[in-house]
Amino acid sequence: EPEVTQTPSHQVTQMGQEVILRCVPISNHLYFYWYRQILGQKVEFLVSFYNNEISEKSEIFDDQFSVERPDGSNFTLKIRSTKLEDSAMYFCASSGPDREGEDTQYFGPGTRLTVL
Amino acid sequence: SQELEQSPQSLIVQEGKNLTINCTSSKTLYGLYWYKQKYGEGLIFLMMLQKGGEEKSHEKITAKLDEKKQQSSLHITASQPSHAGIYLCGADKGGYQKVTFGTGTKLQVIP
Repeated sequence: EPEVTQTPSHQVTQMGQEVILRCVPISNHLYFYWYRQILGQKVEFLVSFYNNEISEKSEIFDDQFSVERPDGSNFTLKIRSTKLEDSAMYFCASSGPDREGEDTQYFGPGTRLTVL
Repeated sequence: SQELEQSPQSLIVQEGKNLTINCTSSKTLYGLYWYKQKYGEGLIFLMMLQKGGEEKSHEKITAKLDEKKQQSSLHITASQPSHAGIYLCGADKGGYQKVTFGTGTKLQVIP
């Protein structure tokens, strides 16, 4: 069964460094998302992406964040200058429509980002 | 903005027992999702409900959406250790928009 994949599974970085988190969405999906979950907290929406542009973003998604679909398969989240509070699990998701016409979002396994 | 409250926050049950997790919305729901998250891992899609009164089942898990579309329940019959994890409800407004997640219910199943 098709699935969303993410790399790396764990990223450790120094404060102020740039990181790029990578995702390969389900191949026929058209809508892509990033969410994050700080330890012990809710899963929070960051950004959605469709037709090569951002369709919605949250307050968290400030100028330090950017997303890109550099080719036909990858979807990336870049954090320009990481802060301690960026430490979290970052989830990529994609949606179809799927066979039933539903807009279910399917999630990847996540990248755990640790900022030191 | 839409808020989703889940209850209980955590649950410990003996293997073989039935259990129910509730998700209540501050606004009428368009689409209601149930996901399962194993500790420190990704979200696994379980079910999606859209119509008032709708009920769906997958193996021993049944989810219902009430007629008013403001509350959903997830029921597990004859729980097993493999059911352990964090159950999250999520809601969207359709049209491939963001999903807003609930607070989560942590389930432990004791053999």
